[in-house]
Amino acid sequence: DAGVIQSPRHEVTEMGQEVTLRCKPISGHNSLFWYRQTMMRGLELLIYFNNNVPIDDSGMPEDRFSAKMPNASFSTLKIQPSEPRDSAVYFCASSLRAAGETQYFGPGTRLLVL
Amino acid sequence: GEDVEQSLFLSVREGDSSVINCTYTDSSSTYLYWYKQEPGAGLQLLTYIFSNMDMKQDQRLTVLLNKKDKHLSLRIADTQTGDSAIYFCAEFTGGGNKLTFGTGTQLKVEL
Repeated sequence: DAGVIQSPRHEVTEMGQEVTLRCKPISGHNSLFWYRQTMMRGLELLIYFNNNVPIDDSGMPEDRFSAKMPNASFSTLKIQPSEPRDSAVYFCASSLRAAGETQYFGPGTRLLVL
Repeated sequence: GEDVEQSLFLSVREGDSSVINCTYTDSSSTYLYWYKQEPGAGLQLLTYIFSNMDMKQDQRLTVLLNKKDKHLSLRIADTQTGDSAIYFCAEFTGGGNKLTFGTGTQLKVEL
């Protein structure tokens, strides 16, 4: 298996632009997680899905952030409009069934908002 | 509430043992994990322990759990330069149904 796939690996954009991050979980995994990592705040859970349904989005910072999972093999995290403080590494992870199972992380998307 | 704490840095000499410590606050934690993050990469699961265990050994890695003190440690025997990375502990709590990660400990292995 190729593992969790994220794209793009790097993104540089200007403030106010829309940013879309993509994730393909490991085939057969039913849970998908979006995390954000910064020096100041460490690793934060933004949202997670179980069977394509959002279960907990309490970590989503504000309305500018939205996440979708239209099917079992694809998820997006969108930021519109982006701001410099959104600059971070965004990780997607998946697990077989539920949040308590081992989570497998993608390589991350490094986002820089100028 | 959930709060997982780790010391930020640890420096050891190659060949020595490393011990990375973690404290957590939620006594209902069921699983506790150790992840490794190398520069520019995602998190990689190293090992995990169920809350009803005291110790788990996996090759050079030994995990100790003191549930009474809510203390978790990761011992790496014969530390190598390739072990240099950031190590995160994480707890899973059924109540919150999510993993809570610690701040991470940066391990530096010196020759």
